[in-house]
Amino acid sequence: DSGVTQTPKHLITATGQRVTLRCSPRSGDLSVYWYQQSLDQGLQFLIQYYNGEERAKGNILERFSAQQFPDLHSELNLSSLELGDSALYFCASSNDGGRLYGYTFGSGTRLTVV
Amino acid sequence: EDQVTQSPEALRLQEGESSSLNCSYTVSGLRGLFWYRQDPGKGPEFLFTLYSAGEEKEKERLKATLTKKESFLHITAPKPEDSATYLCAVPGYSSASKIIFGSGTRLSIRP
Repeated sequence: DSGVTQTPKHLITATGQRVTLRCSPRSGDLSVYWYQQSLDQGLQFLIQYYNGEERAKGNILERFSAQQFPDLHSELNLSSLELGDSALYFCASSNDGGRLYGYTFGSGTRLTVV
Repeated sequence: EDQVTQSPEALRLQEGESSSLNCSYTVSGLRGLFWYRQDPGKGPEFLFTLYSAGEEKEKERLKATLTKKESFLHITAPKPEDSATYLCAVPGYSSASKIIFGSGTRLSIRP
């Protein structure tokens, strides 16, 4: 157990639907990062939050949004889902920007859009 | 554009057969290079951070080295449990928070 908790582990939904992925960072970590991993794209950075505020943005689609709550857990909202959104979604956390000890990743949410 | 390229894509070795994985990067002002291990269906697990050319880090059968343009992950006398995908990553130039990952090397060790 890495200390980063992601729920649900698996999610199957239809095209056009909306889903919410949840992440609880490791205790004491203020930063949360969301990554998407698909077979043809590898790990792609989506967005970072630090202590409730958006800090950095990657190639995140407009249909996707995220937030970090006062208790530091984060949610990634995916809407108007398409088949191509099927992927593993990882959350990671750190307390130093990952400079010394890297990121701690959760075990991911596998999203299947049918 | 910041880029991380790993080679080979896949590597199959016999148990005990040493080899090296390569990670080359194009990013201005390198602010660290990271190696991760990822097992199937799991999140990446942090292995090493390297900051300057000539730096080396070791962990069990793994040793990571860094030059000005690339990094190597040397695996000595590997065991089947070393089978995994090894990922290299660097902070982006425009934002150090944006860690850019390579596509990984899928390592398979046969007993």
